[in-house]
Amino acid sequence: NAGVTQTPKFRVLKTGQSMTLLCAQDMNHEYMYWYRQDPGMGLRLIHYSVGEGTTAKGEVPDGYNVSRLKKQNFLLGLESAAPSQTSVYFCASSYGRTSGYNEQFFGPGTRLTVL
Amino acid sequence: DAKTTQPTSMDCAEGRAANLPCNHSTISGNEYVYWYRQIHSQGPQYIIHGLKNNETNEMASLIITEDRKSSTLILPHATLRDTAVYYCIVRSQTGANNLFFGTGTRLTVIP
Repeated sequence: NAGVTQTPKFRVLKTGQSMTLLCAQDMNHEYMYWYRQDPGMGLRLIHYSVGEGTTAKGEVPDGYNVSRLKKQNFLLGLESAAPSQTSVYFCASSYGRTSGYNEQFFGPGTRLTVL
Repeated sequence: DAKTTQPTSMDCAEGRAANLPCNHSTISGNEYVYWYRQIHSQGPQYIIHGLKNNETNEMASLIITEDRKSSTLILPHATLRDTAVYYCIVRSQTGANNLFFGTGTRLTVIP
């Protein structure tokens, strides 16, 4: 099992450019999440999904869009990147809430710089 | 979800037990205590969780006070590889399972 993988690992964008971050998991998890982590801070939830075809807003959703067309993939889009979106982005996945406990498995992160 | 309070940083000698405290005085009856850690630049890693009984696994032990207002994560024999930021998170088992991370405790294991 590869677990949770993220593509790309690094990216530099200019202000106004768009991009999509891809998260993939091979654990058949129902739930998937996108977090961002700014220097010296904990992770903050951007968007999440409780199943294929569903998405919901987290704590800091502005400037991002997501899609979950396939159960194993969760895409995070930036339509018009801004310097404030410079951050490390982590994807995570977990079983649904009926599983007993809610361990989240995290990917290695994508380091994004917006100039 | 209840808010948690942790010390900003701690040091521990290699081979000794590392005891990381967490206060969660507003925890409610259906909320669990979770611990994750984040080794430099990596994604967070689950360590352990509990409701009201003490828990132990291959990584650590979790001690929860009887009133559940605080807990301690114990790494019994800290190694240099345990140097990381440790997050104490309190949440219920319902909802979307999203985790609210604070700033955590930066544990440095000293040779």
